[in-house]
Amino acid sequence: AQKITQTQPGMFVQEKEAVTLDCTYDTSDPSYGLFWYKQPSSGEMIFLIYQGSYDQQNATEGRYSLNFQKARKSANLVISASQLGDSAMYFCAMRGNNNNDMRFGAGTRLTVKP
Amino acid sequence: NAGVTQTPKFQVLKTGQSMTLQCAQDMNHEYMSWYRQDPGMGLRLIHYSVGAGITDQGEVPNGYNVSRSTTEDFPLRLLSAAPSQTSVYFCASSAGTTGVDEQFFGPGTRLTVL
Repeated sequence: AQKITQTQPGMFVQEKEAVTLDCTYDTSDPSYGLFWYKQPSSGEMIFLIYQGSYDQQNATEGRYSLNFQKARKSANLVISASQLGDSAMYFCAMRGNNNNDMRFGAGTRLTVKP
Repeated sequence: NAGVTQTPKFQVLKTGQSMTLQCAQDMNHEYMSWYRQDPGMGLRLIHYSVGAGITDQGEVPNGYNVSRSTTEDFPLRLLSAAPSQTSVYFCASSAGTTGVDEQFFGPGTRLTVL
């Protein structure tokens, strides 16, 4: 069975600083993908970044990067130069090649302080 | 290209009533799914479909029915609403079911059962 764990219910960061949101996972699938989604207060789910289990390099998308440590089964999201608009819920998710579903963590609420 | 659309956006039901949440996508995606989001629990998979005529249960299927008569539509039926089904419901779709396939989400339906 797949499982995603996000241990930080809430995080605070000062504007313009970097922040790391933690995510660990467990799966028996040899091949899988890891995803991060942002959910602002308006409620929609916004895709941020993807990391494949066989990718050699960590994924980056603008100010977002994924610190992927396969041996430790962790896929932490790093947001650089935080902006007030980054305040939102952030969900880590995983999808295995041998599973038909995407599993989500409980989420981390990020608050960016001015 | 509207992406994934859901109707209604808000709904209030009385215990025992039935209703159908509508979901449609115009991206010709084979995979569609329904999630519910409860506070502190992330998104949990209710039902999913890997193509027209094929559906299967997810993590929390009890009390819900689905059908997939066309590639575009994937309605979710609540058979006899209960207060425990008060939640935000998201429909999602993806081109495939492998680890590389990002899911695209609809805007959500906020359901309250009294």
